[in-house]
Amino acid sequence: GQQVMQIPQYQHVQEGEDFTTYCNSSTTLSNIQWYKQRPGGHPVFLIQLVKSGEVKKQKRLTFQFGEAKKNSSLHITATQTTDVGTYFCANSGYALNFGKGTSLLVTP
Amino acid sequence: NAGVMQNPRHLVRRRGQEARLRCSPMKGHSHVYWYRQLPEEGLKFMVYLQKENIIDESGMPKERFSAEFPKEGPSILRIQQVVRGDSAAYFCASSPPSPSPAFFGQGTRLTVV
Repeated sequence: GQQVMQIPQYQHVQEGEDFTTYCNSSTTLSNIQWYKQRPGGHPVFLIQLVKSGEVKKQKRLTFQFGEAKKNSSLHITATQTTDVGTYFCANSGYALNFGKGTSLLVTP
Repeated sequence: NAGVMQNPRHLVRRRGQEARLRCSPMKGHSHVYWYRQLPEEGLKFMVYLQKENIIDESGMPKERFSAEFPKEGPSILRIQQVVRGDSAAYFCASSPPSPSPAFFGQGTRLTVV
């Protein structure tokens, strides 16, 4: 399957700061999905992006799909402690292939 | 509408025993994925199944591991002759035909002692 790479691997922010994680591929992606996994929990679907240049928002979360469909980003504005967890991107092609995730720690 | 159900939630096995992990997909979902996750690591793809068919098992170790998704009943991930290195969380996810969101079960935490 198509490999997706995520950076950074870890991010530690103060509550109220912004956070961004990036997902990159060397090949064109048919779509990108984002998931969140809380510590000790299971991955939960957040959003799917399909169109080139697509931008979707969920409250403080903004998701973008690059024009070339080779990268995507998740931006969280004014982080809260409830945002703690690992954020994964995944490419849904033949099977669902996940990046290694970005672990976000938010300090009050 | 029940979500993806995995059981058991926790499983302890001695080295050499067999482990059977079950996954009941969401109603109406015909696709099942199994993933393995070690602490502080990502989700490693193991196998992708549709009813009665293995579509992609490229992530599955060649020996001791097998998976099935029968016409009736849950999907089963079977690990024979477990070793300590098999200790991990095993997640199952189900979805309608791709590309669709996948819904995960709560996982089975396997500990081999």
